[in-house]
Amino acid sequence: DGGITQSPKYLFRKEGQNVTLSCEQNLNHDAMYWYRQDPGQGLRLIYYSQIVNDFQKGDIAEGYSVSREKKESFPLTVTSAQKNPTAFYLCASRSEGSGRNEQFFGPGTRLTVL
Amino acid sequence: QQQVKQSPQSLIVQKGGISIINCAYENTAFDYFPWYQQFPGKGPALLIAIRPDVSEKKEGRFTISFNKSAKQFSLHIMDSQPGDSATYFCAAGDTGKLIFGQGTTLQVKP
Repeated sequence: DGGITQSPKYLFRKEGQNVTLSCEQNLNHDAMYWYRQDPGQGLRLIYYSQIVNDFQKGDIAEGYSVSREKKESFPLTVTSAQKNPTAFYLCASRSEGSGRNEQFFGPGTRLTVL
Repeated sequence: QQQVKQSPQSLIVQKGGISIINCAYENTAFDYFPWYQQFPGKGPALLIAIRPDVSEKKEGRFTISFNKSAKQFSLHIMDSQPGDSATYFCAAGDTGKLIFGQGTTLQVKP
């Protein structure tokens, strides 16, 4: 069954702690993305990667870090420097070679800072 | 010049009616305009998408109308059903990146 998986579904964190959100895809897609969703603000791009071992900052990268060591994995770390990390985080992927621009989304991780 | 503005923020439609959501973009380099549907607690799913070389695209009850000169595009849901109740996002972009609108929460009343 091809798709994107995100774990965990719910995550609770104490202030001052770093936390890593997992994103895995078995679609053989080259590009992967992390978005943050807040009520009434749509989806905002945090980081994206179009190839292994390379990634670029999106519009709201401050307080976040990523790695892309494998094609199928793109974990996001929310650091203690992120001022307001409580949000719904969405991972997406896209095939570079197909000529299609469609981004496929995972089910999301809801992060709550206590 | 990177914003995508979406309206209305919320919409209530009777079953069988037409739902219309509008979006406006600024960057004329954008060449891909998708609409995503999102149910509560789930990730968005692509509903329908259009490229600027056509003015309209229809898939079932869903139609995108595209006005390149006005830099606007809209989603029309014909014969709206309670199962269409969800949040809808427009987006615009080119190869690689998308800019999303703020979303429209649609409620279809039975």
